[in-house]
Amino acid sequence: GAVVSQHPSRVICKSGTSVKIECRSLDFQATTMFWYRQFPKQSLMLMATSNEGSKATYEQGVEKDKFLINHASLTLSTLTVTSAHPEDSSFYICSATDLIYGYTFGSGTRLTVV
Amino acid sequence: SQQGEEDPQALSIQEGENATMNCSYKTSINNLQWYRQNSGRGLVHLILIRSNEREKHSGRLRVTLDTSKKSSSLLITASRAADTASYFCATYPSGSARQLTFGSGTQLTVLP
Repeated sequence: GAVVSQHPSRVICKSGTSVKIECRSLDFQATTMFWYRQFPKQSLMLMATSNEGSKATYEQGVEKDKFLINHASLTLSTLTVTSAHPEDSSFYICSATDLIYGYTFGSGTRLTVV
Repeated sequence: SQQGEEDPQALSIQEGENATMNCSYKTSINNLQWYRQNSGRGLVHLILIRSNEREKHSGRLRVTLDTSKKSSSLLITASRAADTASYFCATYPSGSARQLTFGSGTQLTVLP
């Protein structure tokens, strides 16, 4: 089956620094990737939709200058949280989709900003 | 944004009992999917039901869909302690880009 690798699984960073999260589709080409954010005991909230080679589409209320998304190839999308602050601490999950496998989710990244 | 609500928010049952979770949504859909999430982990796809289907089975899982009421239910029969997790429904709306929207989730605890 399809596998999406998300890295790192956990990261702790200092306030004001930037953190990059990678999402890779390992055995299929993902035309579209999605980034979600999940606060404790809450549901997944879509942050942005990323298509290979084009600019990401951000959901309302998500700062595109703060959450930089790059989808440079059909197997890799990155989310960079710039100038992170404690309120950015959350669980970030990516998802990749193609016509055969549908949606496949990464294992998530726990970001803690101290 | 969230498509809809799930109830109950939390459910605690004994091993061997059945667990039923409900999901309501707001817009027309192409399909509805159920996912499972263990604490602090990614999502695992459980089952997909299309808008023209009313019921689907997979092992101990039974999903129903009522598009007139915009609701779905997930039944887990003969539950096990290992079924303890959060369960989310997710809808794939008609006519949209390929964007899943998640419900609020049900936290299921199965007591041994």
